[in-house]
Amino acid sequence: GNSVTQMEGPVTLSEEAFLTINCTYTATGYPSLFWYVQYPGEGLQLLLKATKADDKGSNKGFEATYRKETTSFHLEKGSVQVSDSAVYFCALIPDGGGYQKVTFGTGTKLQVIP
Amino acid sequence: NAGVTQTPKFRILKIGQSMTLQCTQDMNHNYMYWYRQDPGMGLKLIYYSVGAGITDKGEVPNGYNVSRSTTEDFPLRLELAAPSQTSVYFCASTGRGSYNEQFFGPGTRLTVL
Repeated sequence: GNSVTQMEGPVTLSEEAFLTINCTYTATGYPSLFWYVQYPGEGLQLLLKATKADDKGSNKGFEATYRKETTSFHLEKGSVQVSDSAVYFCALIPDGGGYQKVTFGTGTKLQVIP
Repeated sequence: NAGVTQTPKFRILKIGQSMTLQCTQDMNHNYMYWYRQDPGMGLKLIYYSVGAGITDKGEVPNGYNVSRSTTEDFPLRLELAAPSQTSVYFCASTGRGSYNEQFFGPGTRLTVL
């Protein structure tokens, strides 16, 4: 079956540090890949997505590139802020879609300290 | 638009009690979902619906029931609450298009004692 593996958290960084959160996946073909963010006390919201190989998703200074050869979709940000403190989830929808088949990773908690 | 709304935000139940978690969306989305999120875990799909009158089981449906009488509403019913159902429950919806994002509600934190 499909799976998404994220790096263990929590990740603690100082403000303005560089962020990488690793995400790798197992799926056949070319799934669509997503990063969701969950701020404290809230539901998940889409941060960025990529629907084909070599696509780069970006939003709010965050970027992730769909790497088919390494089955990865790592999240990066050049300079984190305290307001980026949240839990980040990597997710996929399998090739061919499937509304019931979104697979989420376990989430990586990011804490940014001033 | 309010998006996806859920009530209540918090609830404490005793073992064996029942309750309904409410979910409403105002985006005219056909697809709706219920997930549970346990500490340190990802989201597990409980039930989903592809339109009014159509529901199906997800990964962890035991102990829950759903109905979908309208496009807007997708309530989740717990009949005999058990401590294993202590979790945070999220409702979500998606519009047409296979790769559309899911819109999530703010969640319901349920504790069963």
